[in-house]
Amino acid sequence: AQKITQTQPGMFVQEKEAVTLDCTYDTSDPSYGLFWYKQPSSGEMIFLIYQGSYDQQNATEGRYSLNFQKARKSANLVISASQLGDSAMYFCAMREGSADRGSTLGRLYFGRGTQLTVWP
Amino acid sequence: DARVTQTPRHKVTEMGQEVTMRCQPILGHNTVFWYRQTMMQGLELLAYFRNRAPLDDSGMPKDRFSAEMPDATLATLKIQPSEPRDSAVYFCASGGTEQFFGPGTRLTVL
Repeated sequence: AQKITQTQPGMFVQEKEAVTLDCTYDTSDPSYGLFWYKQPSSGEMIFLIYQGSYDQQNATEGRYSLNFQKARKSANLVISASQLGDSAMYFCAMREGSADRGSTLGRLYFGRGTQLTVWP
Repeated sequence: DARVTQTPRHKVTEMGQEVTMRCQPILGHNTVFWYRQTMMQGLELLAYFRNRAPLDDSGMPKDRFSAEMPDATLATLKIQPSEPRDSAVYFCASGGTEQFFGPGTRLTVL
């Protein structure tokens, strides 16, 4: 079974609008961390936001927020006020074994990504 | 501004040739990961090290791939012999607070 599922191969949003990128995960480990990365056309992987499995609050980083619904095992990324520069591939990832953001335990499991296009 | 560096950025080679990719992790990071990205498979973990010791290389075809960390500032990924199906982007990442990715090596095997 896939550990990370991103069901939207592509999403389109108009500049200044908000957009939600879906991510569901599968794990039986109570301790885990969820990540979102952005990959622009240049190819680099840029860390955006982190959510630990025990965090009570949804994570926020500037215009990025993570809508964490633990019971549904979903970790959707919300980008508010989209900008043209947000056009990129977005990957959801999970690390099992620790909910500590600072932990380097374990590998990351990545989803297949969602290609976001922001139009003027 | 600390970054993970990778060399070469691009490599075109012929089938059967040896390929060596290098990675310099961020100073102080004790965990180093090698990932491969293809259109078909997405991002796959090949191997990772902690404190230079290999922890998991189950994602790596052992007959042709090898990963090493000769010292804390250098990680290498070798393919010998290379095959066209190895064509991909290979990312190195090092772990501190998050995993920081290098720019990748785009490998094309003809």
